[in-house]
Amino acid sequence: AQSVSQHNHHVILSEAASLELGCNYSYGGTVNLFWYVQYPGQHLQLLLKYFSGDPLVKGIKGFEAEFIKSKFSFNLRKPSVQWSDTAEYFCAVNHASKIIFGSGTRLSIRP
Amino acid sequence: NAGVMQNPRHLVRRRGQEARLRCSPMKGHSHVYWYRQLPEEGLKFMVYLQKENIIDESGMPKERFSAEFPKEGPSILRIQQVVRGDSAAYFCASSSSGAASGNTIYFGEGSWLTVV
Repeated sequence: AQSVSQHNHHVILSEAASLELGCNYSYGGTVNLFWYVQYPGQHLQLLLKYFSGDPLVKGIKGFEAEFIKSKFSFNLRKPSVQWSDTAEYFCAVNHASKIIFGSGTRLSIRP
Repeated sequence: NAGVMQNPRHLVRRRGQEARLRCSPMKGHSHVYWYRQLPEEGLKFMVYLQKENIIDESGMPKERFSAEFPKEGPSILRIQQVVRGDSAAYFCASSSSGAASGNTIYFGEGSWLTVV
């Protein structure tokens, strides 16, 4: 069965530090990949998605992710984080009729 | 252009009571998904519905849980005889076509169920 792994459960960074959150998925076929963000007390919002084409995907708020098929990875990156990036980040992959989510990574930014 | 609307936002039920959670998809969306988020865990898929049809219920517990998406009105997730372990946030999402086609799904703000 398709699964999504996010190995970092909680990441703490200082403002202006660079960010990379790991995401690995298990399915070897054609996939669509997503990163969602959940700010405290709010619903999930789409940050970016990969369907095909350029494996480097640009999203909102300065985020980007790179799809590396050989590594089954779709890591999220941001060169310089801000305090307002404090949130929970979820990687997801579509599988058949549904989207499967990872367990999430909580990002805390020290001002 | 309203987003996915869920109600109630917060619901408290005593053990053994029934909980009904409602979800109105975004305008023009006919595909609805329900997810459950337990404390310190990610989102777990429960069920995927189109109008009047259950497409995939592989994530639904075998007993006490049911979902519907009638021709008219919101989708409803129903939990009978609730137990403390049902306490969670339940998120609804919708899309204009199925996730398999690559369409983005949009989430509601969630319904927080507390069983006391």
